[in-house]
Amino acid sequence: GAVVSQHPSWVICKSGTSVKIECRSLDFQATTMFWYRQFPKQSLMLMATSNEGSKATYEQGVEKDKFLINHASLTLSTLTVTSAHPEDSSFYICSARVGSQNQPQHFGDGTRLSIL
Amino acid sequence: AQKVTQAQTEISVVEKEDVTLDCVYETRDTTYYLFWYKQPPSGELVFLIRRNSFDEQNEISGRYSWNFQKSTSSFNFTITASQVVDSAVYFCALSDLFSGNTGKLIFGQGTTLQVKP
Repeated sequence: GAVVSQHPSWVICKSGTSVKIECRSLDFQATTMFWYRQFPKQSLMLMATSNEGSKATYEQGVEKDKFLINHASLTLSTLTVTSAHPEDSSFYICSARVGSQNQPQHFGDGTRLSIL
Repeated sequence: AQKVTQAQTEISVVEKEDVTLDCVYETRDTTYYLFWYKQPPSGELVFLIRRNSFDEQNEISGRYSWNFQKSTSSFNFTITASQVVDSAVYFCALSDLFSGNTGKLIFGQGTTLQVKP
């Protein structure tokens, strides 16, 4: 149980393109989803917390107009990297949590984004 | 401030050796949760264990065991008789209950474990 699917797993696109990444909880309803960014050999950096039906809460330093988050249902959250540039290239990983804050987060497989 | 420290950046062992991954945390909360996740080369994070601050019992799951000591603010992870498939990056994380009830995780820097055959 507690499977989180993330799509696509790999994206290569030109600079200036907008890229949408989907995060789905397959067998549970996720009241809260999280979006992280991970650089090679580094830890996960939380970008934003996404609650179903409300605006996402962004961490300090993360541009909300650059990284658009939509959590339209209890099983789907999307992250759109708008007008992506090479410095946006990274590994993006989402997680979903059911219930209260003490429950574990379950992670998707991640999306490797390469901007040329 | 909330913080998780995994002082060991990389560990290399030979198969069948036991290995302990250290995790030290700082928090101002009296109620908090600690987690361990495994990130194999494929990238996904796999949940291993959750421990709440009121439960200091050690836990064993197969070859994995965890030692939680509030007195030293540590939550160490031991793999007994390591196997090549244990090779991965292991993250210790703290649930930040001070952050407006979002329960976001604060991750340590991770320890890369390489198990050689």
